[in-house]
Amino acid sequence: DAKTTQPPSMDCAEGRAANLPCNHSTISGNEYVYWYRQIHSQGPQYIIHGLKNNETNEMASLIITEDRKSSTLILPHATLRDTAVYYCIVRDDNAGNMLTFGGGTRLMVKP
Amino acid sequence: KAGVTQTPRYLIKTRGQQVTLSCSPISGHRSVSWYQQTPGQGLQFLFEYFSETQRNKGNFPGRFSGRQFSNSRSEMNVSTLELGDSALYLCASSLGEGMNTEAFFGQGTRLTVV
Repeated sequence: DAKTTQPPSMDCAEGRAANLPCNHSTISGNEYVYWYRQIHSQGPQYIIHGLKNNETNEMASLIITEDRKSSTLILPHATLRDTAVYYCIVRDDNAGNMLTFGGGTRLMVKP
Repeated sequence: KAGVTQTPRYLIKTRGQQVTLSCSPISGHRSVSWYQQTPGQGLQFLFEYFSETQRNKGNFPGRFSGRQFSNSRSEMNVSTLELGDSALYLCASSLGEGMNTEAFFGQGTRLTVV
């Protein structure tokens, strides 16, 4: 079973920031939080990951709470091309490169 | 550099047949994982290969199998196909060392069983 909980869907206006929440209350000390997204009919795309510090790259920012029980993915200026299903995943430290996907959040960016 | 390549992109098979799907990982990546995606079950992990050895296996019947070659290319095989095996099969490659590495996915093979 996925170790994360995400809202099934969210809307965002084009040009505004999209803030996608994720709960992972059972995360253990050395597990990373990963975010992927899947645009319709394509393979998932890596976005960002982090352990406990906030992270930023050219695609997004990842904010992890101090207790590490939740995180937020921020797309600072959403575009129509950001419409996708976003998956928050906690990597099991005993499971190699296995990713356990939950239902994800379907983000709809609207003009 | 070239991404993950999966062949074929589309496939139609008849119940009872078997099928082999291929995945070429990114150059230098030693880990290849396979996933099945269906509308009802979402994305589910099948298995992972690292340096020609199966490292992890998901909860799928023995009809699903795979292997990895010395050049890290991987194949997965499904025998005695069932209608429920219709799905998008995705391959992901990773460097394979440690946890702090991301997976890169191919475009997938869409299998239809009729």
